[in-house]
Amino acid sequence: AQKVTQAQTEISVVEKEDVTLDCVYETRDTTYYLFWYKQPPSGELVFLIRRNSFDEQNEISGRYSWNFQKSTSSFNFTITASQVVDSAVYFCALSENYGQNFVFGPGTRLSVLP
Amino acid sequence: DVKVTQSSRYLVKRTGEKVFLECVQDMDHENMFWYRQDPGLGLRLIYFSYDVKMKEKGDIPEGYSVSREKKERFSLILESASTNQTSMYLCASSFEGRLKNTIYFGEGSWLTVV
Repeated sequence: AQKVTQAQTEISVVEKEDVTLDCVYETRDTTYYLFWYKQPPSGELVFLIRRNSFDEQNEISGRYSWNFQKSTSSFNFTITASQVVDSAVYFCALSENYGQNFVFGPGTRLSVLP
Repeated sequence: DVKVTQSSRYLVKRTGEKVFLECVQDMDHENMFWYRQDPGLGLRLIYFSYDVKMKEKGDIPEGYSVSREKKERFSLILESASTNQTSMYLCASSFEGRLKNTIYFGEGSWLTVV
């Protein structure tokens, strides 16, 4: 069975601080896909990144970076120099290779205060 | 850009009414999904479809049905709306290729049943 855990329910930081959102997953498949989505107050889930299980390279995109570690089954997301516009709920998700289903974590609500 | 469009952004319905939530995607995706999102419960899969006229139950199908008569359109039906179906409903779609693709979401439909 697949499962995604985001232990941090809510995080508050002051603008320009760095913040890391944790994601731990469980799967029996050797091939799987991990995702991060951002949900601003408007409601739409916005795709941020997809990572395949066979690619453990970390990724950086502007102020965003992702650290994928298979050894600890974690796929953490760091925002550097946070901004108020980063305030949102962030979801980590997992999809196994032989299924159409995507399993989402419970989400982490990030508040960036000015 | 992928576009997933949900027909209604906000709806208010009475208990016992039949409710249709429509979703259209423009990327020729095979897979389509309906989720509901509730505070503290995250995203829960109601139904998904991997082809026209095909459907699979998700985690919480009770009280819902779906219809997929055309590839681009996936409808969620509440046969007899109840107050516990007040929620935000999210439609999504994904491509089913040899390499698993990303799931894209619509803007969400906020349903209130009174």
